[in-house]
Amino acid sequence: AQSVAQPEDQVNVAEGNPLTVKCTYSVSGNPYLFWYVQYPNRGLQFLLKYITGDNLVKGSYGFEAEFNKSQTSFHLKKPSALVSDSALYFCAVRDMDGNKLVFGAGTILRVKS
Amino acid sequence: NAGVTQTPKFQVLKTGQSMTLQCAQDMNHNSMYWYRQDPGMGLRLIYYSASEGTTDKGEVPNGYNVSRLNKREFSLRLESAAPSQTSVYFCASREKAGSSYEQYFGPGTRLTVT
Repeated sequence: AQSVAQPEDQVNVAEGNPLTVKCTYSVSGNPYLFWYVQYPNRGLQFLLKYITGDNLVKGSYGFEAEFNKSQTSFHLKKPSALVSDSALYFCAVRDMDGNKLVFGAGTILRVKS
Repeated sequence: NAGVTQTPKFQVLKTGQSMTLQCAQDMNHNSMYWYRQDPGMGLRLIYYSASEGTTDKGEVPNGYNVSRLNKREFSLRLESAAPSQTSVYFCASREKAGSSYEQYFGPGTRLTVT
């Protein structure tokens, strides 16, 4: 079965520093990977996806993610964190039948000024 | 475009009461989903509807029923609410075409069962 793991419950970063939120995956076949962000008391917002092509994917709000097949990872990155980036981040993978997404447990990102 | 809308935003039920959570999308999406979100457990799929006229169980369907009323609307019903169903419920939709596997989420319904 397809699955993703987010090994960190929480990541703390100082404003202006680069940030990384980690995600590893386990899939049969080619992985279709996604990142979502959830701000307090809001629904999830789509940030970016990897389907095929370049290993570095750019998304909304200055975020990018690096697909690494050998390490089965899809880490979310941003060169310079903002306090407003503080939120809950979810990694997800497309399920085998293509109809569903399987989500990780989520990582809380806290950016301090 | 309102996107995905959910009603109500908040609800408190007593054990054994029933209620229906409503979801509608105006993006002409084919697939719709119901999730629950609990602390430390991420999102868990309750039911989904891959296309109008079909519904399928997800990971945690027990205690819930769904109706795909038409292409726009997908409702979730709790027939006899239990405290274990206290959660935040999210509806989502997806355009079932090409490589558009990403889902778009509503704002959520916060349900408390006492």
